[in-house]
Amino acid sequence: GDSVTQMEGPVTLSEEAFLTINCTYTATGYPSLFWYVQYPGEGLQLLLKATKADDKGSNKGFEATYRKETTSFHLEKGSVQVSDSAVYFCALSEDYGGSQGNLIFGKGTKLSVKP
Amino acid sequence: KAGVTQTPRYLIKTRGQQVTLSCSPISGHRSVSWYQQTPGQGLQFLFEYFSETQRNKGNFPGRFSGRQFSNSRSEMNVSTLELGDSALYLCASSLGNQQETQYFGPGTRLLVL
Repeated sequence: GDSVTQMEGPVTLSEEAFLTINCTYTATGYPSLFWYVQYPGEGLQLLLKATKADDKGSNKGFEATYRKETTSFHLEKGSVQVSDSAVYFCALSEDYGGSQGNLIFGKGTKLSVKP
Repeated sequence: KAGVTQTPRYLIKTRGQQVTLSCSPISGHRSVSWYQQTPGQGLQFLFEYFSETQRNKGNFPGRFSGRQFSNSRSEMNVSTLELGDSALYLCASSLGNQQETQYFGPGTRLLVL
């Protein structure tokens, strides 16, 4: 079945460091890909998404490009801030011919940014 | 626009009891999905409701059930609670069309003693 694999944390960086969180997926069809972020004690917030190959999603300085050839959707940010400390989840949603596909999540990567 | 709201935010129950959780979607959203989040299993899909009908279901036992009302609000019920049901239960709403973004609520944290 479909699955998402992302690098396990925790990841600890200093402020202004470059961030990469790797995410790869397996899917039978043509999924949409998402990055969600979860701050302590809160639910999930959509960070960015891409719906087809070569699409680049971006938001708040974060970027990820949908790479069909490598089945990857790596999250990057050029300069992290303390406020970026959170758990990041990569997810996919399959195309079920028009109906809503459920989200399949990776295990999450905890990011801690030190001042 | 108000976001997805879930009530209650915290709940403590004992084994064998049942529990009902509530989710109010974003206005205009017709799809509500439920997810269970635990440290061991991560985020797992429970079920999705669209226009009062269950449209999609994950791999959970029949003790987990749900329903959706005509105003799109949804409830999730867990009967005969087990210790392993302790988790954060998240609901998400969307327009319900193909690959639409799902917007999550803050979750209900359930502790089973």
